[in-house]
Amino acid sequence: EAQVTQNPRYLITVTGKKLTVTCSQNMNHEYMSWYRQDPGLGLRQIYYSMNVEVTDKGDVPEGYKVSRKEKRNFPLILESPSPNQTSLYFCASSYLSSGGSYEQYFGPGTRLTVT
Amino acid sequence: KQEVTQIPAALSVPEGENLVLNCSFTDSAIYNLQWFRQDPGKGLTSLLLIQSSQREQTSGRLNASLDKSSGRSTLYIAASQPGDSATYLCAVDAGANNLFFGTGTRLTVIP
Repeated sequence: EAQVTQNPRYLITVTGKKLTVTCSQNMNHEYMSWYRQDPGLGLRQIYYSMNVEVTDKGDVPEGYKVSRKEKRNFPLILESPSPNQTSLYFCASSYLSSGGSYEQYFGPGTRLTVT
Repeated sequence: KQEVTQIPAALSVPEGENLVLNCSFTDSAIYNLQWFRQDPGKGLTSLLLIQSSQREQTSGRLNASLDKSSGRSTLYIAASQPGDSATYLCAVDAGANNLFFGTGTRLTVIP
């Protein structure tokens, strides 16, 4: 089954304790991205990657790191989490369709709470 | 910077009604517009994608239109069902796969 998986789905941690949220896709998509979703703000892009070893900042990259060493994996790293990073995080992958647009596939989300 | 607005924020309708969800965006220079459905505790499911050169797309009971010049899109749902209850999000692709999302419309279809 074609899918984007994220782990963990739920995480409660404390301020300053490094954490990684993994994301993996099995569709051989070149493009992957991370979003956070907050009430009243909608989804905002954190980082994206056009291909292996190619990453770039989205709209809200502060406090986050990513890496793309393999095509299928795109982990999100919080080196020193803070309470304002409490949010619902989504990973997405996409491919360039025949119509010339990128069609997005989203993971199930990771709910992170930083105390 | 692109801003995407969805009105109304919430909508309740009786089963069987036809309904329209609205999405507006501030910058007409878009590559495409996509409508998603989000169920509680789950990710986003793509419903329809409209290329910038297209006016509308249809899938089953769903029809999405795009008026790029006026910065508007609508999602029409025909003969609504309780299973349609979810949050509907629109997103515009400003290029380089940089999506800007609205805050969504939470739809409740009452049996």
